[in-house]
Amino acid sequence: EADIYQTPRYLVIGTGKKITLECSQTMGHDKMYWYQQDPGMELHLIHYSYGVNSTEKGDLSSESTVSRIRTEHFPLTLESARPSHTSQYLCASSEVGFGYGYTFGSGTRLTVV
Amino acid sequence: GQQLNQSPQSMFIQEGEDVSMNCTSSSIFNTWLWYKQDPGEGPVLLIALYKAGELTSNGRLTAQFGITRKDSFLNISASIPSDVGIYFCAGLKDGQNFVFGPGTRLSVLP
Repeated sequence: EADIYQTPRYLVIGTGKKITLECSQTMGHDKMYWYQQDPGMELHLIHYSYGVNSTEKGDLSSESTVSRIRTEHFPLTLESARPSHTSQYLCASSEVGFGYGYTFGSGTRLTVV
Repeated sequence: GQQLNQSPQSMFIQEGEDVSMNCTSSSIFNTWLWYKQDPGEGPVLLIALYKAGELTSNGRLTAQFGITRKDSFLNISASIPSDVGIYFCAGLKDGQNFVFGPGTRLSVLP
């Protein structure tokens, strides 16, 4: 079944740790996105990619980085986590072409203590 | 930058009531989407609209693409407890990423 997967679902880590949030999709979508969302609040685009070796920063400045080495995989990395990074991170993908909606993953709820 | 406004920000309704919410902008968009987000989950696409004036239904949900192309509307008929969640609109202009609204938070009282 075509889908988009995020791991882990929940992560609690200490300040200063390096973390990678995984996102994979099996739909062959070229476009992928990372959003940051505080609980019950707005979605903020932090990174996006239109294909392999293509990455761009989104509207909200973020200390995280992303890579796109394979079409299906779009991991997000924080080199040194801080409490201000505590949030939910949502990954999404879409087909190339006008007007295709985004398919979202279930998210990773990150808590930095 | 582009901004979408959603109204109301939150609403509390009785089970069985109809719900209306809207999404407005000062800019023209070519596509409107409506998403629902359950607590702890990612948003799920409900309805997509591609043409000004278009009216599209999905079960008890009906959405419309405003004639001015600057707004969109979502109606839910005969609400049930599982309608609880956050409803996001998203608008698209050519060559750009979707812009998401701040959401309408719906609570359904039994």
